[in-house]
Amino acid sequence: NAGVTQTPKFQVLKTGQSMTLQCAQDMNHEYMSWYRQDPGMGLRLIHYSVGAGITDQGEVPNGYNVSRSTTEDFPLRLLSAAPSQTSVYFCASSYSGLAGAADTQYFGPGTRLTVL
Amino acid sequence: KNQVEQSPQSLIILEGKNCTLQCNYTVSPFSNLRWYKQDTGRGPVSLTIMTFSENTKSNGRYTATLDADTKQSSLHITASQLSDSASYICVVSLGSGNTPLVFGKGTRLSVIA
Repeated sequence: NAGVTQTPKFQVLKTGQSMTLQCAQDMNHEYMSWYRQDPGMGLRLIHYSVGAGITDQGEVPNGYNVSRSTTEDFPLRLLSAAPSQTSVYFCASSYSGLAGAADTQYFGPGTRLTVL
Repeated sequence: KNQVEQSPQSLIILEGKNCTLQCNYTVSPFSNLRWYKQDTGRGPVSLTIMTFSENTKSNGRYTATLDADTKQSSLHITASQLSDSASYICVVSLGSGNTPLVFGKGTRLSVIA
């Protein structure tokens, strides 16, 4: 049981380049989400998914796209990287992300992205 | 506005000592409160989850308390170890809405020998 895995661990991009951050979980969780973590700020929600084929925007979605074709995978795409997207990105999953649910949220190890 | 405030921002303690981290929240409607530990360079790991009716919950040397009336929570670490050095994040879950988790900025704890 690998939990939540993310690739790559580190990435350097030039402004304007695009890339996809990969996230996978093997716990059969319906709810998956992407966060970014910047110094001095709490984790901020980018996009989330409540199940295969269903995605929605979080707090800071601009410049990012997601899709959820399977329960296991939830990739995050940067369309045209900007220096403001330099951050650490975390993928997370839980059985249910519904309001009021008290199930544990599991985080991946993170991807450290630098945009030059 | 839903907010979670943590104090102190950072804390340094000697190995073996106890410490308490604070979390105040202005969130409505409240559903549950979580504490996470985040080691440097790693993802957050859940320590405890407390619902409205729970006043205290323990996980080894970590004990979380919740006062839903005053909207305060604390995380008490007993007999600290060097491995407790990490950021501790308080997260409150709303009882409604599509994005129910509200994250605090965390307290950075350093345990020194």
